[in-house]
Amino acid sequence: EVQLVQSGAEVKKPGESLKISCKGSGYSFTSYWIGWVRQMPGKGLEWMGIIYPGDSDTRYSPSFQGQVTISADKSISTAYLQWSSLKASDTAMYYCVRPGSSDAFDIWGQGTMVTVSS
Amino acid sequence: EIVMTQSPATLSVSPGERATLSCRASQSVSSNLAWYQQKPGQAPRLLIYGASTRATGIPARFSGSGSGTEFTLTISSLQSEDFAVYYCQQYNNWLLTFGGGTKVEIK
Repeated sequence: EVQLVQSGAEVKKPGESLKISCKGSGYSFTSYWIGWVRQMPGKGLEWMGIIYPGDSDTRYSPSFQGQVTISADKSISTAYLQWSSLKASDTAMYYCVRPGSSDAFDIWGQGTMVTVSS
Repeated sequence: EIVMTQSPATLSVSPGERATLSCRASQSVSSNLAWYQQKPGQAPRLLIYGASTRATGIPARFSGSGSGTEFTLTISSLQSEDFAVYYCQQYNNWLLTFGGGTKVEIK
């Protein structure tokens, strides 16, 4: 079964750093892009960026460029989303996604809830 | 950036009725348009890609149409499990964008 399994919920304070993960299984991890989508509480979906684990080619939405870092470790089939200094406005659910052969997001992780509060 | 606009924001429909959701792109996205369904507390699920192709396991009551800048998702006969929020997304270029969503609620 093709799946993406994300790390668990996080509660952090403003200014702290964080790295959340997304492990792919059931398919060739290096052959598909993996992206990240943000959903703030009660709001819609926002595409953040995407990485190709095969060569680490990474693209960011202008809204998130410089705010987060997307990376991947192909040796363990895992993608990451990290922040160097969290803000309260980073409180959201974060989903990793895999575009299929059609380029639409056919596989979604279960989501990681990040709460940033003093 | 291509802006995706969905309408209406909320659609009140009785079970068994037809629901028609619209999505408009600020510039042409060809047929590079997907629809997703999201239920409370769940991750979104791909329904339609390529504007009109149902994803694996999606019931035939869901259909998509359109190309260029105007797209429609139709649910022919709403079932109880179809009450959810629906998002369109364009993937015509790497700067992917979603619409704001349409909530389909029970009338």
